[in-house]
Amino acid sequence: SQQGEEDPQALSIQEGENATMNCSYKTSINNLQWYRQNSGRGLVHLILIRSNEREKHSGRLRVTLDTSKKSSSLLITASRAADTASYFCATDVGGGSNYKLTFGKGTLLTVNP
Amino acid sequence: EAQVTQNPRYLITVTGKKLTVTCSQNMNHEYMSWYRQDPGLGLRQIYYSMNVEVTDKGDVPEGYKVSRKEKRNFPLILESPSPNQTSLYFCASSSWRGYNEQFFGPGTRLTVL
Repeated sequence: SQQGEEDPQALSIQEGENATMNCSYKTSINNLQWYRQNSGRGLVHLILIRSNEREKHSGRLRVTLDTSKKSSSLLITASRAADTASYFCATDVGGGSNYKLTFGKGTLLTVNP
Repeated sequence: EAQVTQNPRYLITVTGKKLTVTCSQNMNHEYMSWYRQDPGLGLRQIYYSMNVEVTDKGDVPEGYKVSRKEKRNFPLILESPSPNQTSLYFCASSSWRGYNEQFFGPGTRLTVL
């Protein structure tokens, strides 16, 4: 089963509204990352939050991490039509020579003009 | 410009015909990885490499081979492709064990008939 699971699977909002996506994971992590993917294209890194951090901001993005609940949320404020994309969380699993990054299935965000 | 390149971008082939998808990065990254993306299954890791001559299996390695003879290149080899390997493939790289952001290539859409 997936290490990271995003929720909801799909989200449709109006331009200017805020969008919140959640990610839950199963095992302890070193860090959690969020990526964006425009249709059929490569993923683009948005933000990384380490396990000892609780909140991080980058422009209109706000990420929180709750390691006790093994969950993270990505908030996009004042959304724009250009934010329409799939959003993935990724968690690292293992350490030393056994490092692996595991992605969830993603949340498809549609921002309507 | 810092980038990950993949070739070819699109490929249609037939069952059993060996093929190689090339991946190259110009950022001197130690860590490189291959993923496949399928509808409903998200992004799954095929193989990864921590450095030159160091490779390891991801979640779905069956039917694939990789090599890392040079730091910048990480080709994906399908010795005998089958229709269930029809997918969108992404190569990614990052510095130091992938704990940092991963840079993704543009993707290779492979169809095996």
